[in-house]
Amino acid sequence: AQSVTQLDSHVSVSEGTPVLLRCNYSSSYSPSLFWYVQHPNKGLQLLLKYTSAATLVKGINGFEAEFKKSETSFHLTKPSAHMSDAAEYFCVVRANNNDMRFGAGTRLTVKP
Amino acid sequence: NAGVTQTPKFQVLKTGQSMTLQCAQDMNHEYMSWYRQDPGMGLRLIHYSVGAGITDQGEVPNGYNVSRSTTEDFPLRLLSAAPSQTSVYFCASSRKTSSTGELFFGEGSRLTVL
Repeated sequence: AQSVTQLDSHVSVSEGTPVLLRCNYSSSYSPSLFWYVQHPNKGLQLLLKYTSAATLVKGINGFEAEFKKSETSFHLTKPSAHMSDAAEYFCVVRANNNDMRFGAGTRLTVKP
Repeated sequence: NAGVTQTPKFQVLKTGQSMTLQCAQDMNHEYMSWYRQDPGMGLRLIHYSVGAGITDQGEVPNGYNVSRSTTEDFPLRLLSAAPSQTSVYFCASSRKTSSTGELFFGEGSRLTVL
């Protein structure tokens, strides 16, 4: 069975400083990994995905994530936070066509 | 493009009442699914479908029914609502053919059961 653990339920950064949202995964198969973002009262939007190609994945809005098999991690980063990045972020593992498991989410707060 | 459309956006029910949450997608996706989102628990899969006429249970199916008579529509039925079903419900769809396919989400339906 596969699962993800998001290590921080809440992260607070100042505008212009780096963002790090941490995710560890567990999977019996070679996983596909995703990061989704959810703005208040909205659905989820895909930020980026890892599908066994390059281990460093670039997504929308300046976000990127690095797949590290030895550490079973897929942390999300951004060099410089913007106020519009304030949202909830979900790490997701997909090990077959029909089973996607979501982490509990990390709420990102960006202070002016 | 409409994408994934859910209705209603908000609903209040009394314990024991029944209702249906509607979901429609216009992307010709084979795979459709329903999730519930509860604080601190992420999204949990209720039911899913890989094509018309085919449905299966997810992680938390009890108290919910689904059917898939067309590719476009995937309604979720609550037969006898309970307060534990107070949640935000999301419908999502994707192409079936690849495990790398992303999910496309609706904007959610907020359900309160009194």
